[in-house]
Amino acid sequence: QITLKESGPTLVKPTQTLTLTCTFSGFSLSTSGVGVGWIRQPPGKALEWLALIYWDDDKRYSPSLKSRLTITKDTSKNQVVLTMTNMDPVDTATYYCAHHIYGSGSYPYWGQGTLVTVSS
Amino acid sequence: QSALTQPASVSGSPGQSITISCTGTSSDVGSYNLVSWYQQHPGKAPKLMIYEGSKRPSGVSNRFSGSKSGNTASLTISGLQAEDEADYYCCSYAGSSTSWVFGGGTKLTVL
Repeated sequence: QITLKESGPTLVKPTQTLTLTCTFSGFSLSTSGVGVGWIRQPPGKALEWLALIYWDDDKRYSPSLKSRLTITKDTSKNQVVLTMTNMDPVDTATYYCAHHIYGSGSYPYWGQGTLVTVSS
Repeated sequence: QSALTQPASVSGSPGQSITISCTGTSSDVGSYNLVSWYQQHPGKAPKLMIYEGSKRPSGVSNRFSGSKSGNTASLTISGLQAEDEADYYCCSYAGSSTSWVFGGGTKLTVL
């Protein structure tokens, strides 16, 4: 059974750096073809793809946010970490991590999401 | 503005069929057979309904089907049920530079 869970601060101040951790089980990020991605959703708005890391440490980022994002993995801990710098109120959103299969282009399993509010 | 264009809302009566379109470009939907569709109920995480354009994950009802023509992908739900009322999002691979893009979402109302 594959499960993912996001964790991190619920409130950050403008200009601060957000660090979110995705802790997963039921698969290994050392297995060929596996990836973990991050997607966010502002309240009442659409999903927005942010970043993805593959088993081989290949990393992909949203072009519009690339300068602010860093994604890393700790295979031994079954964790993926996303950092986003220079947070702004428009970054207020529910942040999801999701399991990805290379070649399928899809995200079959998602975490429950964590709401991050950016406010002073 | 979302990279993929979806109608903001669609509606149908129980038992009817509806189709949700997802229009992209020759750089995403038109170039790759990697369109996926997600169902999202209020307050819940998205659920994968269709992947690789037309494949259904195990456990997803065969009332859900996907297709593609040119730069437009479509999700069809037949035999509408009350539980199908939700938001639906398409997603497409868009090449190594852009990676993945989502649509703006479509709210399905079952009348």
